[in-house]
Amino acid sequence: AQRVTQPEKLLSVFKGAPVELKCNYSYSGSPELFWYVQYSRQRLQLLLRHISRESIKGFTADLNKGETSFHLKKPFAQEEDSAMYYCALRTGGQNFVFGPGTRLSVLP
Amino acid sequence: ETGVTQSPTHLIKTRGQQVTLRCSSQSGHNTVSWYQQALGQGPQFIFQYYREEENGRGNFPPRFSGLQFPNYSSELNVNALELDDSALYLCASSSLAGGETQYFGPGTRLLVL
Repeated sequence: AQRVTQPEKLLSVFKGAPVELKCNYSYSGSPELFWYVQYSRQRLQLLLRHISRESIKGFTADLNKGETSFHLKKPFAQEEDSAMYYCALRTGGQNFVFGPGTRLSVLP
Repeated sequence: ETGVTQSPTHLIKTRGQQVTLRCSSQSGHNTVSWYQQALGQGPQFIFQYYREEENGRGNFPPRFSGLQFPNYSSELNVNALELDDSALYLCASSSLAGGETQYFGPGTRLLVL
């Protein structure tokens, strides 16, 4: 079965501290992983995808097929990073499986 | 370039009723996906339409149906509403069925009493 887990519902860090949002997936095929973000009073939007291997707003994520993980990392958190983060898995075509989300709170 | 719009923003229905939710895709996009997001959960994929044809479906019963029109706008219809259908319904548009970035609308919040 296809599944995405995000073990932390809420993660609080201080400004300037490193942050890691965990994401694990289960899928028998070749996975395509994404991170979506929703800032307060804004729409859900794509943050990054593993295929692009890019850094967006200082965030990076590496797909680890051995550990079936796609953790999101940023070395120095900023207050404007506070948001809801969703990890998502695309399984064939356009079927996206989203995780339950982690709320990141960056404290001043 | 206009973004994805959805209507209505919120509505209240009673159990057993039918509801139609609408989505206008972003300019230039020919693919629309619908998601259901229950409180405290991530979005769940309902189905996708590409060039007016259903192009994938999640684990939702047949009483969830949809349409896409020639201008690529879309409707989500839910018959025989149940209390558990109460959720935020999100629409997302993209430019290709194969994998372009999805742009989400603001959602329609449905409450079933």
